[in-house]
Amino acid sequence: QLQLQESGSGLVKPSQTLSLTCAVSGDYINSGYSWSWIRQSPGKGLDWIGYIIRSGNTYYNPSLKSRVTISVDRSKKQFSLKVTSVTAADTAVYYCAGGIDYGFDYWGQGILVTVSS
Amino acid sequence: ETTLTQSPAFMSATPGDKVNISCKASQDIDHDLNWYQRKPGERAIFIIQEGTTLVPGIPPRFSGSGYGTDFTLTINNIESEDAAYYFCLQHDNFPYTFGQGTKLEIK
Repeated sequence: QLQLQESGSGLVKPSQTLSLTCAVSGDYINSGYSWSWIRQSPGKGLDWIGYIIRSGNTYYNPSLKSRVTISVDRSKKQFSLKVTSVTAADTAVYYCAGGIDYGFDYWGQGILVTVSS
Repeated sequence: ETTLTQSPAFMSATPGDKVNISCKASQDIDHDLNWYQRKPGERAIFIIQEGTTLVPGIPPRFSGSGYGTDFTLTINNIESEDAAYYFCLQHDNFPYTFGQGTKLEIK
């Protein structure tokens, strides 16, 4: 069964770039899955950040589109998230997820990222 | 953007109860709604796909119903292990959106 694990810096300074990776178990990175990033700010609901589908096309939430990049590195069996020019509003638990169609079948445990100086 | 209004935000149940959690969409999303369960410190688990289809491996006491704008997650004969945070997700249109979630406590 597919397993996902987020990693990256848990503390990012304002105006800097948040970078996270999601390790994908087995050989699922080559299985034609879609890969997603989602976040949940303290006390709030979940927000879809975006995803990359099997063709390599990416789709982002318009609320973040200008600051977000999602990419896949098949050689490292991982996919990544970058969010530029972060502010305190980007403080959240970030989740990676993957699946056959929409990229939400399997989820990671989440990683807390705090934006603070 | 499709808003998903999920209710209740919190509920408490006794083992053996039947529980209903509602997810209402602000526009027609056909059957493009999933349900998930997340326990503290654990990964979210995919339990219902396309509004009504039980994901393989999920106990049959879980069921989903609805189409269009009104959806319901039902848990029959609740067990203590069902204590968790439940949320819905629509993948009908961009941006994909989530319900605010329901925290289910088992007494």
